[in-house]
Amino acid sequence: QKEVEQNSGPLSVPEGAIASLNCTYSDRGSQSFFWYRQYSGKSPELIMSIYSNGDKEDGRFTAQLNKASQYVSLLIRDSQPSDSATYLCAVRTNAGKSTFGDGTTLTVKP
Amino acid sequence: EADIYQTPRYLVIGTGKKITLECSQTMGHDKMYWYQQDPGMELHLIHYSYGVNSTEKGDLSSESTVSRIRTEHFPLTLESARPSHTSQYLCASSPSGAGEQYFGPGTRLTVT
Repeated sequence: QKEVEQNSGPLSVPEGAIASLNCTYSDRGSQSFFWYRQYSGKSPELIMSIYSNGDKEDGRFTAQLNKASQYVSLLIRDSQPSDSATYLCAVRTNAGKSTFGDGTTLTVKP
Repeated sequence: EADIYQTPRYLVIGTGKKITLECSQTMGHDKMYWYQQDPGMELHLIHYSYGVNSTEKGDLSSESTVSRIRTEHFPLTLESARPSHTSQYLCASSPSGAGEQYFGPGTRLTVT
């Protein structure tokens, strides 16, 4: 079992729809959770971090964390073609180790 | 402006050559990382450092070596480049006690 698993893509949504990206992790002691966006040919860019159960909103992005279910998600509201990218989930354990998921590629169609 | 830099951005080199990929950050971060990523594929951690004179191998076996003599500088060296080393190499840094990582622009290496 991989330490961090993301829903297999690619994911395609129409412009204006909600895109939902999911991530599960295996280490129950994990404390910090991150979402990165990576455009094709570019390096990853941090877009959201979440540390407590519940929702965290930043503009059109909402990160959701459920530690009991070992599940973290990213919702993108009013998706735009410029949101088309690969989204990476990353988890940091209590021991300080950070692990990235394989990524989910999102395409937003005009 | 605090940032993380990588040079060169692109490198084409012949088999057997020794190369050093440079990574510097001006954010004062203690932790630094090197990742290897092929196009459309996942990130693979190849080396990391939690501070000066501290280096560790990552999850992906690599023939490269790293050094950390100064906080801001984390170069990666390939003693003898091979075509299998063709990839994108990403450097990242992170503050102590934090999990978020900040990535440099990457070096795209091609070994012919």
